Amino acid sequence: EVQLQQSGAELVKPGASVKLSCKTSGYTFSNYYMSWLKQMPGQNIEWIGNIYGGNGGTGYNQKFKGKATLTVDKSSSTAYMDLSSLTSEDSAVYFCARVDYYSRRGFDYWGQGVMVTVSS
Amino acid sequence: DIVMTQAPLSVSVTPGESASISCRSSKSLLHSNGITYVYWYLQKPGKSPQLLIYRMSNLASGVPDRFSGSGSETDFTLKISRVEAEDVGIYYCGQLLENPWTFGGGTKLELK
Repeated sequence: EVQLQQSGAELVKPGASVKLSCKTSGYTFSNYYMSWLKQMPGQNIEWIGNIYGGNGGTGYNQKFKGKATLTVDKSSSTAYMDLSSLTSEDSAVYFCARVDYYSRRGFDYWGQGVMVTVSS
Repeated sequence: DIVMTQAPLSVSVTPGESASISCRSSKSLLHSNGITYVYWYLQKPGKSPQLLIYRMSNLASGVPDRFSGSGSETDFTLKISRVEAEDVGIYYCGQLLENPWTFGGGTKLELK
């Protein structure tokens, strides 16, 4: 069974950074991309970027360049996203979602989401 | 960026009846390979989105065949036949044709 398990909720101060994790199981991590997505309360879903589990190659939404940094640890089949210089606009739920980039069959498995709250 | 526009914002359906949700893209989502890169997701209350339809008309694994997707290059429709209580939530269309991948604003489905 494919599973994406995200780390717990975060409360961080403005200007700080936070690192979110997405630990996977049930499939070959290096064969897929992992996307990260943002959903502010009651809002639309925004795609942040992709990272390939095989070689760590990345692709970002221009809007999130400089804000988000995606990495992977193949040994633990875990994807990470660093968010820097946090402001209230970064308060949101963040999802990781698996995608087969080449067949583009959509985001077929999602993590449970993690709430990030930026507040002093 | 490709803008995805959904209509209506919300729909109220009697259980057992059908519902249709529309999505329009600001640019053709038909690739030269003949594949149309539009997707449909359902986000149930308090849950992560789940994939319903991929590449315009393909049913995702485990999704009931009450769901179907259709469309053209820029206009797309999700149809739900025989709506059930478990279908309640927010439906999103999305595109994976070009970076940045984008989503529509969502359509909320409620039961009458």
